[in-house]
Amino acid sequence: DAGVTQSPTHLIKTRGQQVTLRCSPKSGHDTVSWYQQALGQGPQFIFQYYEEEERQRGNFPDRFSGHQFPNYSSELNVNALLLGDSALYLCASSPPDNTDTQYFGPGTRLTVL
Amino acid sequence: AQTVTQSQPEMSVQEAETVTLSCTYDTSESDYYLFWYKQPPSRQMILVIRQEAYKQQNATENRFSVNFQKAAKSFSLKISDSQLGDAAMYFCAYRSPFFTGNTPLVFGKGTRLSVIA
Repeated sequence: DAGVTQSPTHLIKTRGQQVTLRCSPKSGHDTVSWYQQALGQGPQFIFQYYEEEERQRGNFPDRFSGHQFPNYSSELNVNALLLGDSALYLCASSPPDNTDTQYFGPGTRLTVL
Repeated sequence: AQTVTQSQPEMSVQEAETVTLSCTYDTSESDYYLFWYKQPPSRQMILVIRQEAYKQQNATENRFSVNFQKAAKSFSLKISDSQLGDAAMYFCAYRSPFFTGNTPLVFGKGTRLSVIA
């Protein structure tokens, strides 16, 4: 049973560019949450998708957007990249019947130059 | 808004010894979930242990146990018989109960644990 997977593993972009990160949830999970983890910090919640809609959102600007597909996989898009967007982006999925626990993927390391 | 504080940026322990990582949190809710996650250099966040606030009994998972003090809003993690593979960043996290929506995790800043052979 595959766990949460994310792609790509690493990504290097320049300021002003746009980036798309991808996440496939654990089998049987229907809710996907995205977190940003800056170097030396704990993860911070970006937003959460359920039934292909954004259900909750953290304190992140509109440059951060997302999408969830019918197969529950999800994308995180960041426009007009800033140096401060450099971070590890973590995806977490939760099952419909036990939503108190989230399972994390290995993350995508984004570097903005 | 809930906050989670981990006051120990770094800790070290001798192999086979016991170490306790501290975590305090601030909330006005009476029911919630608390978690400890481990993040090794591979970056994958791994669930170590979870505790429901309405349960008075402290959670235990093999060598990992917690000391949950609800009135003090304290949630420490004890690692017994420490192993080299326990070396990692440890994050304490808080989550509101499900009935308020599939709420996100609120994390502390983490404690880096080193295990000395």
